[in-house]
Amino acid sequence: DTAVSQTPKYLVTQMGNDKSIKCEQNLGHDTMYWYKQDSKKFLKIMFSYNNKELIINETVPNRFSPKSPDKAHLNLHINSLELGDSAVYFCASSQGLTQYFGPGTRLLVL
Amino acid sequence: DAKTTQPPSMDCAEGRAANLPCNHSTISGNEYVYWYRQIHSQGPQYIIHGLKNNETNEMASLIITEDRKSSTLILPHATLRDTAVYYCIVRGKTSYDKVIFGPGTSLSVIP
Repeated sequence: DTAVSQTPKYLVTQMGNDKSIKCEQNLGHDTMYWYKQDSKKFLKIMFSYNNKELIINETVPNRFSPKSPDKAHLNLHINSLELGDSAVYFCASSQGLTQYFGPGTRLLVL
Repeated sequence: DAKTTQPPSMDCAEGRAANLPCNHSTISGNEYVYWYRQIHSQGPQYIIHGLKNNETNEMASLIITEDRKSSTLILPHATLRDTAVYYCIVRGKTSYDKVIFGPGTSLSVIP
């Protein structure tokens, strides 16, 4: 049973396109997150939602828009993709302080 | 910026204990020390956390100094599958506190 799942695993797309990444957790957690890990392997938080409410919004371009339709889902929509958006995007969830991460979505923008 | 400093890399012989140090000299009284690891670009995996006391679970032990300015993660019998990047993180008590990952320590377990 996968606790935190993401789709797709891999995403290859052209510059300028719009794409979405989906995340689902079956742990019953209240809080969900999106992280970006770039080519230098630094893992940086982008957004955090608690009970569908945005609570952390780092300095991320407006082209990135998270959406939480319910507590179990946090999707990430990216408009007008740029080369610099190429990275691995990780979703995570937590109840309390311990975070559980998904397997990642590897995004390559050509 | 991360509130912790870790050596960039370490080696450990298979079957030996791996001791991974972490400095967090600016930690405040209500902040926890957390350890995660990331195996070959998989999602980070929670290992252990503590506030003041030493902690042990099935994966590792966490030793926190009395002044709380540093800690050591101990993998008692390292295996090849423990080769990973290990992140030491200091964080507050609420969901609103950001988790900031530093570059971590790349541990190589050698046969």
